[in-house]
Amino acid sequence: QVHLVQSGSEVRKPGASVRVSCKASGYTFTDNFMHWVRQAPGQGLEWMGRFNPNSGGTNFAQKFQDRVTMTRDTSISTAYIYLSSLRSDDTAVYYCARETNNWAAPYYFDYWGQGTLVTVSS
Amino acid sequence: QTVVTQEPSFSVSPGGTVTLTCGLSSGSVSTSYYPSWYQQTPGQAPRTLIYNTNTRSSGVPDRFSGSILGDKAALTITGAHTDDESDYYCVLYMRSGVSVFGGGTKLTVL
Repeated sequence: QVHLVQSGSEVRKPGASVRVSCKASGYTFTDNFMHWVRQAPGQGLEWMGRFNPNSGGTNFAQKFQDRVTMTRDTSISTAYIYLSSLRSDDTAVYYCARETNNWAAPYYFDYWGQGTLVTVSS
Repeated sequence: QTVVTQEPSFSVSPGGTVTLTCGLSSGSVSTSYYPSWYQQTPGQAPRTLIYNTNTRSSGVPDRFSGSILGDKAALTITGAHTDDESDYYCVLYMRSGVSVFGGGTKLTVL
């Protein structure tokens, strides 16, 4: 059974950085792209980027290209997202979401992590 | 920059039928955008409802259906239940590995 378990809540000051992890289980970690999605309080879902755990390749939404890094540790089936130069408007719940590898019906998120709240406040 | 549009809110009576749509600020949505739909209740992670335009995810009741209507993707709920009251998001795949969420529709069932 597939599970994505994320790290716990974080509090940071403006200008700092944060790392959120997403530990995958129940499948071969390198077989599926991993996406990161965030949701600011009271707002909608926002796609941030996609990560290939096999190659390390990334695709980003334009607004995140300069401040976001996505990496992985394949030995522990864990994906990471780093967000630097934090601002108050980065306060949000951050989700990891697995992309299906069903090439007959591709490009959707079939499993989600539980979310990680990142609060940016002075 | 491409914007994916959804109705901000919609209301339906219990047992009624409602169609939520997902469009583009410029151009038409087709199956080539592989539209998918997600349901989210407050404090919860999203739940996958529909993918590849019209395929229901495992365990999703058949009152949920997806389609292309005109130049938009559509999610139809036929015979709405009170527990369908949620936020609904569409996602379009823009190619080159980029996906975009719509702004979401808040559905009220009353």
